[in-house]
Amino acid sequence: QKEVEQNSGPLSVPEGAIASLNCTYSDRGSQSFFWYRQYSGKSPELIMSIYSNGDKEDGRFTAQLNKASQYVSLLIRDSQPSDSATYLCAVLGFQKLVFGTGTRLLVSP
Amino acid sequence: SQTIHQWPATLVQPVGSPLSLECTVEGTSNPNLYWYRQAAGRGLQLLFYSVGIGQISSEVPQNLSASRPQDRQFILSSKKLLLSDSGFYLCAWSGYATGAKGTKNIQYFGAGTRLSVL
Repeated sequence: QKEVEQNSGPLSVPEGAIASLNCTYSDRGSQSFFWYRQYSGKSPELIMSIYSNGDKEDGRFTAQLNKASQYVSLLIRDSQPSDSATYLCAVLGFQKLVFGTGTRLLVSP
Repeated sequence: SQTIHQWPATLVQPVGSPLSLECTVEGTSNPNLYWYRQAAGRGLQLLFYSVGIGQISSEVPQNLSASRPQDRQFILSSKKLLLSDSGFYLCAWSGYATGAKGTKNIQYFGAGTRLSVL
């Protein structure tokens, strides 16, 4: 079992819809969770971090964490074509972040 | 604020040639530093990380090595490049940021170096 798992996609949504990205992790002791956005040919950009169970909202982005079920999700409301990118889930282990392989999101106009 | 510098942005090297990629961080002290590689269309592979000067942990046995000669400098090297070394190399630092809700660990990436070995 991979430490951090994501569906590779692509996830296709129309403009204005809600995009839902999911991630599961194997280390029950993990305490910090991150979502990065990576445009093609660019380096990953941190967009959300979450540390406690529940929801954390920042603009159009909502991160959700459920430690009992070991999953973390990212919701993007009112999706825009500029949101088209690969979204990487990362979980903080001992001294290092462990990344999933990413989910590619395509938002069509 | 913290910034991370990584250069060069692109590099084309022949097989068998040496490699040296440098990464420096500003605005923080004693950061954890990381080298990742991302092959085309693939995920991030952690190559090395360092928690202090001269302290290097290798994640994957390979043709590369890393060094940390100064607190905020991290260098990725190879004596002889292979075709399989091609990829997008990313340096990252992690540390703690204190905000209204306490101190949390964060990690940021440099702009990356796209290496093509021909």
